[in-house]
Amino acid sequence: DAKTTQPNSMESNEEEPVHLPCNHSTISGTDYIHWYRQLPSQGPEYVIHGLTSNVNNRMASLAIAEDRKSSTLILHRATLRDAAVYYCILFSGTYKYIFGTGTRLKVLA
Amino acid sequence: KAGVTQTPRYLIKTRGQQVTLSCSPISGHRSVSWYQQTPGQGLQFLFEYFSETQRNKGNFPGRFSGRQFSNSRSEMNVSTLELGDSALYLCASSSGMEQFFGPGTRLTVL
Repeated sequence: DAKTTQPNSMESNEEEPVHLPCNHSTISGTDYIHWYRQLPSQGPEYVIHGLTSNVNNRMASLAIAEDRKSSTLILHRATLRDAAVYYCILFSGTYKYIFGTGTRLKVLA
Repeated sequence: KAGVTQTPRYLIKTRGQQVTLSCSPISGHRSVSWYQQTPGQGLQFLFEYFSETQRNKGNFPGRFSGRQFSNSRSEMNVSTLELGDSALYLCASSSGMEQFFGPGTRLTVL
């Protein structure tokens, strides 16, 4: 199963954009890139996913490198409620998610 | 639409006992996955069930087992509990690209 690599932690000021990177150099052509986040004392929640093209939804944007070996989750205006652990996962058609250690995002007021 | 529900939310057991955890997926979802979350190992995949059949399995000993019923509700069982089984057990259901996670069952083994 392909793995992903993320920084352990990042900090952002409230109301500023946040770029959360993820490396997935062993991604295969059919793997989707999924992002989830886990708020304190909750189960993970879906954020966004993509295959090749950049994606936007109400929560975030996903920028995927042309060679697909990396991607970046973009929170356009971080709020205190965005403080969470963010996981980047490769989805190959089965729900056997391989979670890495994720990035703990701290948002400063 | 109701979310994924897990019961019980908290559980305390002693070593050697067995435990059964329950998960009710979102209505219409046929895939149910189970994960174990510990501070040391993070989130680890246990198994996935789809239409009452185990479709994927993680690297856990045979003490961890599960099943899925015809209404898609799922249970997982851990026999001969060990101290290291203390964890948050998360269940997730899916009908497409997105997995919906429940709040988890916090199991403490004394």
